[in-house]
Amino acid sequence: DSGVTQTPKHLITATGQRVTLRCSPRSGDLSVYWYQQSLDQGLQFLIQYYNGEERAKGNILERFSAQQFPDLHSELNLSSLELGDSALYFCASSVDASSGAQETQYFGPGTRLLVL
Amino acid sequence: DAKTTQPPSMDCAEGRAANLPCNHSTISGNEYVYWYRQIHSQGPQYIIHGLKNNETNEMASLIITEDRKSSTLILPHATLRDTAVYYCIVMRGSTLGRLYFGRGTQLTVWP
Repeated sequence: DSGVTQTPKHLITATGQRVTLRCSPRSGDLSVYWYQQSLDQGLQFLIQYYNGEERAKGNILERFSAQQFPDLHSELNLSSLELGDSALYFCASSVDASSGAQETQYFGPGTRLLVL
Repeated sequence: DAKTTQPPSMDCAEGRAANLPCNHSTISGNEYVYWYRQIHSQGPQYIIHGLKNNETNEMASLIITEDRKSSTLILPHATLRDTAVYYCIVMRGSTLGRLYFGRGTQLTVWP
């Protein structure tokens, strides 16, 4: 158990809909990262938040957005869903990425999204 | 971040040592070598990381060559539960935290 929790575990929805994925980081961790894993693309970095502020963006679509709240949990919002958005979505956390130094990331169990 | 090359698959008998190689010939002086594994669609699990020196923890050992162009992850006594995809990742010390996962090595441990 990494200490990172994600809800829900599974999500089935229809095209065009909007969903919210939730992540709670390990106690004391300030940084949260979101990754997407699809069959054809592998694990890809989406976005990072540090202490409530966006730190880095990866291959995140404009239809997707995220935020980190004062209690440090994070939500990933996916809208106008398409079939191709079906994937595993992982959240990771690390202690402090403010300095830019390398940080070990600990991953949650993921949310499996299926868009029909 | 430097690119890594790993064999797509490897086999290992249970109880034997599993040695997983990784090439990172373009690694820079401030880049770390990280290893993660993913067991059948579970969240990636951190294993070990190092900069220059060999490292060992309760899970594995990491051997980095003197020129730092390659490394080997060693699972000393592989078990069936070690069957997973193993990712070797090179990460710059100043990188803003993102990890770049390649395709990794599918390790299958046989009874």
